[in-house]
Amino acid sequence: KNQVEQSPQSLIILEGKNCTLQCNYTVSPFSNLRWYKQDTGRGPVSLTIMTFSENTKSNGRYTATLDADTKQSSLHITASQLSDSASYICVVTYFRQGGSEKLVFGKGTKLTVNP
Amino acid sequence: DSGVTQTPKHLITATGQRVTLRCSPRSGDLSVYWYQQSLDQGLQFLIQYYNGEERAKGNILERFSAQQFPDLHSELNLSSLELGDSALYFCASSVGRTGVYEQYFGPGTRLTVT
Repeated sequence: KNQVEQSPQSLIILEGKNCTLQCNYTVSPFSNLRWYKQDTGRGPVSLTIMTFSENTKSNGRYTATLDADTKQSSLHITASQLSDSASYICVVTYFRQGGSEKLVFGKGTKLTVNP
Repeated sequence: DSGVTQTPKHLITATGQRVTLRCSPRSGDLSVYWYQQSLDQGLQFLIQYYNGEERAKGNILERFSAQQFPDLHSELNLSSLELGDSALYFCASSVGRTGVYEQYFGPGTRLTVT
């Protein structure tokens, strides 16, 4: 079954600290993996998108890694800020028979950054 | 501001009713995606349209339908509403047909079914 599992479910850190969020997937055949940031009650905002051949991608203080062999991805946040408090969602796209694609969403990691 | 607009922002209706949610994609984007996010649940992909044609289908109920018009705006129709349909409904748009293109999400429509 095509699944995306994220850990931890929730995380509380102090402002200025670094943290790493995990995403494991069983989706196949893989097309791409994205990380989104979603503030409460608002639409997700894309942070990174990686295809099979990419193993790291940065967007400011956010760095995503991808290991397509072990089907794992991580999102590392450096020098966290209060505005980083949000849910972070991992989304994996795979190809279906007939060539169409399907997106599988993780349930997200809720990050709280405290002063 | 992503450039994707959704109306209405909030909608309260009764069980058994039918509603229509509207989405205008970013200028130049040909794909529109619809998602449902229930309380404490992850995002669920419902359906994608590309340049007026249905391209991909996710976990969309038979009571739900969508279409994309020639001006590229899209509507999601929800009928015979049940309490469990209460959720945030997001639309997203992207320039291309496949999932490799970045998706830009709208602010969402919060549907409450009473």
